[in-house]
Amino acid sequence: AQSVTQLDSQVPVFEEAPVELRCNYSSSVSVYLFWYVQYPNQGLQLLLKYLSGSTLVESINGFEAEFNKSQTSFHLRKPSVHISDTAEYFCAVSGPRRPSSASKIIFGSGTRLSIRP
Amino acid sequence: DAGVIQSPRHEVTEMGQEVTLRCKPISGHDYLFWYRQTMMRGLELLIYFNNNVPIDDSGMPEDRFSAKMPNASFSTLKIQPSEPRDSAVYFCASVRLAVSSGANVLTFGAGSRLTVL
Repeated sequence: AQSVTQLDSQVPVFEEAPVELRCNYSSSVSVYLFWYVQYPNQGLQLLLKYLSGSTLVESINGFEAEFNKSQTSFHLRKPSVHISDTAEYFCAVSGPRRPSSASKIIFGSGTRLSIRP
Repeated sequence: DAGVIQSPRHEVTEMGQEVTLRCKPISGHDYLFWYRQTMMRGLELLIYFNNNVPIDDSGMPEDRFSAKMPNASFSTLKIQPSEPRDSAVYFCASVRLAVSSGANVLTFGAGSRLTVL
């Protein structure tokens, strides 16, 4: 079974500062990894995903995450945050899909990113 | 596509009343998930369906909770009788499971915020 640990429940940073949101996973099989973002009063939206290939994946709004198999981590980073990045961020993991069954997506507990001007 | 549509967006009810939350998944998606989000427990998977059939309801907290999916375009989550501890945001999400390689990327609705007094 897979599990996801987000080590920080809240991360306050100043605008234009860099940020890293940590995520560690455990799984006995190869996995897919995701970061979802939830803006206030909205549902979750996919931010980026790792399926295979290059271990560094990027989103359209400047976030990036690096898959590190040896450390079983998928930390999310942004070199310079903006007020509009204020949201809750969820790391998620799912196992490889099989035609005969769905692979459930397991979410971490979330990290609330608050940006101070 | 209009995305995953949930109703109502907000519901305030009194303890003991029946609550019905509704979800319309994205057309063509064959999996539907119900999640509950609270400050204390984060995002919890309650139940999910494949082709309208419930696959795993192990996350449903009590017999007071029930979910149905009478057809591919509609699902309900019912709480009867409701209790104050059921207060949460309930999310519906859907996905189309492709047999070829790739990962499940859930599309979430905006959520139904339930307050039980």
